[in-house]
Amino acid sequence: DAKTTQPTSMDCAEGRAANLPCNHSTISGNEYVYWYRQIHSQGPQYIIHGLKNNETNEMASLIITEDRKSSTLILPHATLRDTAVYYCIHIYNQGGKLIFGQGTELSVKP
Amino acid sequence: GAGVSQSPRYKVAKRGQDVALRCDPISGHVSLFWYQQALGQGPEFLTYFQNEAQLDKSGLPSDRFFAERPEGSVSTLKIQRTQQEDSAVYLCASSFIWRGEYEQYFGPGTRLTVT
Repeated sequence: DAKTTQPTSMDCAEGRAANLPCNHSTISGNEYVYWYRQIHSQGPQYIIHGLKNNETNEMASLIITEDRKSSTLILPHATLRDTAVYYCIHIYNQGGKLIFGQGTELSVKP
Repeated sequence: GAGVSQSPRYKVAKRGQDVALRCDPISGHVSLFWYQQALGQGPEFLTYFQNEAQLDKSGLPSDRFFAERPEGSVSTLKIQRTQQEDSAVYLCASSFIWRGEYEQYFGPGTRLTVT
């Protein structure tokens, strides 16, 4: 099964950038990196995904290293509403099941 | 637009009872997934449908768990003879998959407590 490594928890000051790292050293050439987050008592929410190139959308930016063994999710201006557990997942079949790890619990503090 | 809905949101069952959990996916979404989330853990895959076909049920923990999606839209996860270890949040997700839209949209989950 695909496996990623993320820090258990992180803190970030409101208004500052939150940089969430993920190691996926076992990723293969055709596997995508997906990020989801789960706010307390809600279902997970898709954030962003990428293959090789860096990606940006209205929620976040995804930076993937050249060797693709790690990535960083960047929330440019974190708000209190960004407090959640963030999951990094690598997946070959984009239409298939997601394998969640423990994720990173991000706490945004005022 | 309407998201994925699940019902009931909360269910308390006595050990040994049967339960049925319902998922209404986003209209037009081809794929439907069920996940189980124990307290403090990430969601774990249970089963997957593409339209009405159940293509993967490798995550179902025992033969007490059964899922169906007979008309390719609404899905039901049934648990027979519930046990305390079945207590968890059951999440449903759907995705479109065509035109490269693979992201999964999750419902709020059903919290099952077996007493």
